[in-house]
Amino acid sequence: DVKVTQSSRYLVKRTGEKVFLECVQDMDHENMFWYRQDPGLGLRLIYFSYDVKMKEKGDIPEGYSVSREKKERFSLILESASTNQTSMYLCASGGGSTDTQYFGPGTRLTVL
Amino acid sequence: QKEVEQDPGPLSVPEGAIVSLNCTYSNSAFQYFMWYRQYSRKGPELLMYTYSSGNKEDGRFTAQVDKSSKYISLFIRDSQPSDSATYLCAMSAPQGAQKLVFGQGTRLTINP
Repeated sequence: DVKVTQSSRYLVKRTGEKVFLECVQDMDHENMFWYRQDPGLGLRLIYFSYDVKMKEKGDIPEGYSVSREKKERFSLILESASTNQTSMYLCASGGGSTDTQYFGPGTRLTVL
Repeated sequence: QKEVEQDPGPLSVPEGAIVSLNCTYSNSAFQYFMWYRQYSRKGPELLMYTYSSGNKEDGRFTAQVDKSSKYISLFIRDSQPSDSATYLCAMSAPQGAQKLVFGQGTRLTINP
């Protein structure tokens, strides 16, 4: 069965803190993605990765960075958290001949 | 104009009704079409996947793609309260680097 896991379901951080969100997939997928989801704005792509150590900016990369040191693991980093980064963060992985992506359960991040 | 348009609803129907959810799109290069179901505070789960035009059926769910009209639909027959969720359409183009473009999602409630 397809499985994407995220390190935390709920996270509360203070403004200016460095935040790490981790995602692990067990499907041997080449591609991994980070999105944020906000009411009225839908899903927005932050960063994605085609391979280990490869990364590409999505639609809203400002204020974020990513790391992919192993194929199964993709981390999202908020260097200095701000209140406008309060959101639901979703990780997904995909690969093969179709473009389907499989999502993790999400991390609801609150920045105070 | 957004690449993918989806009525956000909310849509409320009685149990047992046939539900029709729709998306329109502007990019004629889209070839892969997906429907995701997202329960409250959870990650989206892949419900249906179609390639190019035509219909696909899976139990009570039917996905329909009309590329000439740039219109896709998801039909739910004999709707159940457990179908209450937000439904997101997603699509991608070949050579699109497996990046998906999502609709905003339609919130659906099935009333017992």
